[in-house]
Amino acid sequence: QQPVQSPQAVILREGEDAVINCSSSKALYSVHWYRQKHGEAPVFLMILLKGGEQKGHEKISASFNEKKQQSSLYLTASQLSYSGTYFCGTELSGNQFYFGTGTSLTVIP
Amino acid sequence: SQTIHQWPATLVQPVGSPLSLECTVEGTSNPNLYWYRQAAGRGLQLLFYSVGIGQISSEVPQNLSASRPQDRQFILSSKKLLLSDSGFYLCAWSVGGPSYEQYFGPGTRLTVT
Repeated sequence: QQPVQSPQAVILREGEDAVINCSSSKALYSVHWYRQKHGEAPVFLMILLKGGEQKGHEKISASFNEKKQQSSLYLTASQLSYSGTYFCGTELSGNQFYFGTGTSLTVIP
Repeated sequence: SQTIHQWPATLVQPVGSPLSLECTVEGTSNPNLYWYRQAAGRGLQLLFYSVGIGQISSEVPQNLSASRPQDRQFILSSKKLLLSDSGFYLCAWSVGGPSYEQYFGPGTRLTVT
């Protein structure tokens, strides 16, 4: 029931774009996205609700395809501060919630 | 504004010793509270979930237990630690169920030796 994220790791140069995918085998009610810097706690980025629209946060946006049980996080014109591990979190029926496997993102100058 | 505290920040304990980690939230009432564990370089594993005082749901069978003696206090305990209990323990809160964003405390890094 844990969602699978892809890729597992990605290295970008400043200014490049990236897409992180989150896929579940179960029907989803909502999808969360969090970023965790090394040694720190995860920080909430955004949440997408079933039937909701694409959300945006600075140069980071996300989409939610309910039929495919997938969500994607889009990072455009990446900055050094975007480095970290990104986790999706998925809400299933019955108040179940699972974090994904994580994607390590490294932005280099 | 709401804040979440966890202590201690780091802890080194021998195998077989007891454990007590505390989490408190300020600035909100009746929050949903969560305990997660993160092994080194791994994802977040939900351990316990609480919707109110005395109401605890356990997600993973283990030698850990949780209690919520007060509305904004969440405690993680163990009677006898195992080596596999080492990890980064995170407490989080939300205003409602899984449709609401979660806010994490600074975490406790536990090393069992």
